[in-house]
This record gives sequence, C-alpha cells and structure tokens, in this order.
Amino acid sequence: SQQGEEDPQALSIQEGENATMNCSYKTSINNLQWYRQNSGRGLVHLILIRSNEREKHSGRLRVTLDTSKKSSSLLITASRAADTASYFCATDAGGGNEKLTFGTGTRLTIIP
Amino acid sequence: NAGVTQTPKFRVLKTGQSMTLLCAQDMNHEYMYWYRQDPGMGLRLIHYSVGEGTTAKGEVPDGYNVSRLKKQNFLLGLESAAPSQTSVYFCASRPPQRPQHFGDGTRLSIL
Repeated sequence: SQQGEEDPQALSIQEGENATMNCSYKTSINNLQWYRQNSGRGLVHLILIRSNEREKHSGRLRVTLDTSKKSSSLLITASRAADTASYFCATDAGGGNEKLTFGTGTRLTIIP
Repeated sequence: NAGVTQTPKFRVLKTGQSMTLLCAQDMNHEYMYWYRQDPGMGLRLIHYSVGEGTTAKGEVPDGYNVSRLKKQNFLLGLESAAPSQTSVYFCASRPPQRPQHFGDGTRLSIL
C-alpha cells in the first residue's frame, strides 16, 4: 500500500514564486526522502531528513518534518522553469527494513 | 560512470510472451530494487535484493521473478506477460542507509 500521500496532486505557479508540496505518511519512520522525476526519466534524489530532524535546507529547497503529525513539506523557493517535474516523498521505516515506500507524487508546472 | 542502466528502454509484447529486463549498476551498491510506475499510483515495489544471491518480495510481486547472480546485475522476468503488466519499470540501487539511484526506466506495453 502507498504510505506517502502528496498534496496537492498538481500545482502550477509563475516562475519566481515559491512552491510548497506536502506529504503525509502512516507509520513510524527512520527518515523521509524527496525525489524529483523529470518527464520520461528516472527519479533523482533531492534531500533526506531524519526522524530526529525538524528542518533541512539544500540550496533553494527547504524540507520540514513533523513526526507528531506524520507529515513533511517541501518548499522550492524562487522557482525556475527547470523545476517543472513530479516530486515524490518516500519513507524509510528503518529497523533493518531496506525498502522505501513512495507517495503518489505532486506534478509541478512552472509557468515562464 | 554510467550509474544505473536499464535494458531495453522500450518493448512491446504480446499476451503470454516472456521477457527479461536487465538492470546493471557500476557503483558497487549492495541493494537493488525493481519498481513499476503506473499513472496516478507512484512507484510500487515489485522485488528487491539486499546482496548478491538474495532476493525478496515487495508490494506487487505476482507475475514477476528476479535473480541477482552478480552483484552488479538485477534481472526482472515476466514468465507469461499480461496486459495488466503494461507499465514503466524502474530499477534502483543504493548502498546501505543512503538514497536510491534510479535508471531511466523501461516502457513495456503488452497487447
């Protein structure tokens, strides 16, 4: 079953605006990861946040994690046309379980 | 350094035919994974391997078999293809406790 659920399913914004995507999950996690998928390509890892972290930054990306609400958000600041892609969260339950469970993704379109 | 390479990139099969998808990684990663991606459903794990000679079932293993005879290769087999197996298949690999690296996918259509 899909543990992660992204919200919204699709998002269109003007270039230069900020984009926020949310992810909710159901069970305890060791870490949560965000991936980007350009059309016709494989997923590319963006950022990983561990369960004991609340916020993490990488360039124009900011990820937050609220384990009490079982939710995470990905913020992309000053969006660019090249940010147009689908974004997926993935949860790692840890404890020797080496599997990731992916959400259904948010399709982000940046309008030039 | 090619990363994760999937072969073939596209394939059309008839119902009942068999085929093998090949995934090769040159990063010496221990773990390898096969996923399928269908519209609106994200990625679903078919099978995975935590090392050479090992395989395990994922979320949707029925109708598929896998083998990991060499550390760098992970093969996904369809013994008798069905239209429900029309999908995009992704392979991924990773070292322990690190993010996954993905190939660019195999687009498989079964008529």
